[in-house]
Amino acid sequence: DIQLTQSPSFLSASVGDRVTLTCRASQNISTYLVWYQQGPGRAPTLLIYDASKLQGGVPSRFSGSGSGTEFTLTISSLQPEDFATYYCHQVNSYPLITFGGGTKLEMK
Amino acid sequence: QVHLVESGGGVVQPGRSLTLSCAASGFTFNTYAIHWVRQAPGKGLEWVSGIWSHGTNKYYAESVRGRFTISGDNSKNTVYLQMNSLRVEDTAVYYCARVGLRTVWAFDVWGQGTMVTVSS
Repeated sequence: DIQLTQSPSFLSASVGDRVTLTCRASQNISTYLVWYQQGPGRAPTLLIYDASKLQGGVPSRFSGSGSGTEFTLTISSLQPEDFATYYCHQVNSYPLITFGGGTKLEMK
Repeated sequence: QVHLVESGGGVVQPGRSLTLSCAASGFTFNTYAIHWVRQAPGKGLEWVSGIWSHGTNKYYAESVRGRFTISGDNSKNTVYLQMNSLRVEDTAVYYCARVGLRTVWAFDVWGQGTMVTVSS
C-alpha cells in the first residue's frame, strides 16, 4: 500500500500569512495527488487535482506543486475561511486509494 | 445542481448489519464511479469501497473486505453499502463521493455524510 505522510499535523497561522503544507508518498506516485479542504462538521471539498490543477471555483491563492514523492499545498495569503483541515489523497493506485493523516490549520 | 445524499446511518449493536444509501441527482449517474469514504470521530479520512456505475467492478479496503458489499441501481441513481458483522471500529461518518470525469480520479462531489455508531 502507498502511504502518505502529511506535515505538520497542526499549524498555527494568522490571516494574511503564506503557508505551505507538505505531503510525502512512500513511493513514486507521479502527479497522482489530490488535495481536499474540510471545515469543521463539513464534508471535504476538492481543491487541487493532478498535483497542481486548481478545481473550478477554488480561489487562486491556493496552489499545488510536486511530483514523485513530495508534494506541497501553498496558500498565498490566508483568509478566515481557510482555517480548516487539509488532506492529501493519492490516486496512483486507483481504485485502491489512500489519504494522508491531515494537517489542521488553526488561527494563531 | 449536482448532489449526493447519504442516508441509512444509525446506532447498531456489534455483529449486526446496516445498509447505507447514496442517492445522486443532477448528473448522468451511469457514467461515473462512486466511492464510500469514512471518518471516525476526530480522525482522518479512510477509503472504504468503490464501484463503477455499471456495477461490474467493485473494490474494497482490506479493513472491510468480506463484510461490506457495494452495489448500484442505475434506475434509482443510487449506490448502496451493505455492512455486515459490524464492529465498534466501524463507527464513523460515512461519505459517498463521485470521481470526476476531468479531475484525474479525484473526488469532485461529496455528500454530507451519514453517521454510523456501532455500540452495545
